[in-house]
Amino acid sequence: DAKTTQPPSMDCAEGRAANLPCNHSTISGNEYVYWYRQIHSQGPQYIIHGLKNNETNEMASLIITEDRKSSTLILPHATLRDTAVYYCIVRAPSGTYKYIFGTGTRLKVLA
Amino acid sequence: ETGVTQTPRHLVMGMTNKKSLKCEQHLGHNAMYWYKQSAKKPLELMFVYNFKEQTENNSVPSRFSPECPNSSHLFLHLHTLQPEDSALYLCASSPGQGLYEQYFGPGTRLTVT
Repeated sequence: DAKTTQPPSMDCAEGRAANLPCNHSTISGNEYVYWYRQIHSQGPQYIIHGLKNNETNEMASLIITEDRKSSTLILPHATLRDTAVYYCIVRAPSGTYKYIFGTGTRLKVLA
Repeated sequence: ETGVTQTPRHLVMGMTNKKSLKCEQHLGHNAMYWYKQSAKKPLELMFVYNFKEQTENNSVPSRFSPECPNSSHLFLHLHTLQPEDSALYLCASSPGQGLYEQYFGPGTRLTVT
């Protein structure tokens, strides 16, 4: 099954860019990479997704390598409210909607 | 406020009890989901419904019985649960099936005694 690998934790200074890496070396050619985050005691929140090209929205930017084996989520100006667990997610090829969330990266934004 | 509500927010039940979790979405979405989040474990997809029809059952034990009477409501009926079923149960909805823009509710914290 496709899976993702993320560092368990990261710190980032408030106002600086937070760069969260993800390895997904077994991703299929037509599968998207999705990013969600979960702030403590809340349900996960959709951030962004992408296939090949870099993507940007009001929350973040997503950089996907040309070989698609890894990606980086960028929060350009991290705030204390961005402290959360960030999940990089791909779909397991054996199941239509069996998305694998993994354990994510716990990002702590420091004042 | 995500537009997805879940009740109750907390539930304590014995192993012989029967209870139900309720989820309602006010977003006009067609797909709804149940997830389980256990302590120190990744989020696990349990069930997927699209236009009221179940399209995915991720090998969930039969003591969990979902029901989707319409595209706005989703229930999870619980009976003869085990202590290891204690977890946060999250409901989500999305415009179509898939991981694009799923909106999650706040979850029901379930404790089985």
